[in-house]
Amino acid sequence: EIVLTQSPGTLSLSPGERATLSCRASQSVSSSYLAWYQQKPGQAPRLLIYGASSRATGIPDRFSGSGSGTDFTLTISRLEPEDFAVYYCQQYGSFGQGTRLEIK
Amino acid sequence: QLQLQESGPGLVKPSETLSLTCTVSGGSISSSSYYWGWIRQPPGKGLEWIGSIYYSGSTYYNPSLKSRVTISVDTSKNQFSLKLSSVTAADTAVFYCARALEFDGTFDYWGQGTLVTVSS
Repeated sequence: EIVLTQSPGTLSLSPGERATLSCRASQSVSSSYLAWYQQKPGQAPRLLIYGASSRATGIPDRFSGSGSGTDFTLTISRLEPEDFAVYYCQQYGSFGQGTRLEIK
Repeated sequence: QLQLQESGPGLVKPSETLSLTCTVSGGSISSSSYYWGWIRQPPGKGLEWIGSIYYSGSTYYNPSLKSRVTISVDTSKNQFSLKLSSVTAADTAVFYCARALEFDGTFDYWGQGTLVTVSS
């Protein structure tokens, strides 16, 4: 079973700044199978990125994904107020523990 | 637009069986390119995959829950269901149903979630 470890646990940034979130897998995974989700309080998760780097329908281009092997990154180029949320990576039946992105 | 809606009791007693149903609308559960899954989230915690089912009935369970989980599908009603037996307070969570792409397991559509509390 693959374990996904996200870092940092909490990221404090200001609107307009760049956010870099990390997801590390316990063993090499196909980049085709790595996804990222955004979850706001009281809401279901929303798919942002699939296949490590492809944006889901309707996702703004300030969100980008990259990586391969065991190391994957979600980057938000310029933070908007609505981007402050919890982010999860996922590979099949494994989810990372999440990174909370909070307003500094 | 595909929609998923969870339904079932919001309160279950310890040692009993939790039962939830997900109704799919705006699309067919019999589509060959998708799996249908259950994910849970304890209050204030992260996401945990419970299991998934293909329209044919093939199932895939989280090894940590496998002994207590049964997922089934009713294509005539466009529904799939979850049963989790011998529940304890640790099973209290928001339960989500979701559609997964067969190719890569990505969950692209989610229900709104339903809170199930285990308490006497």
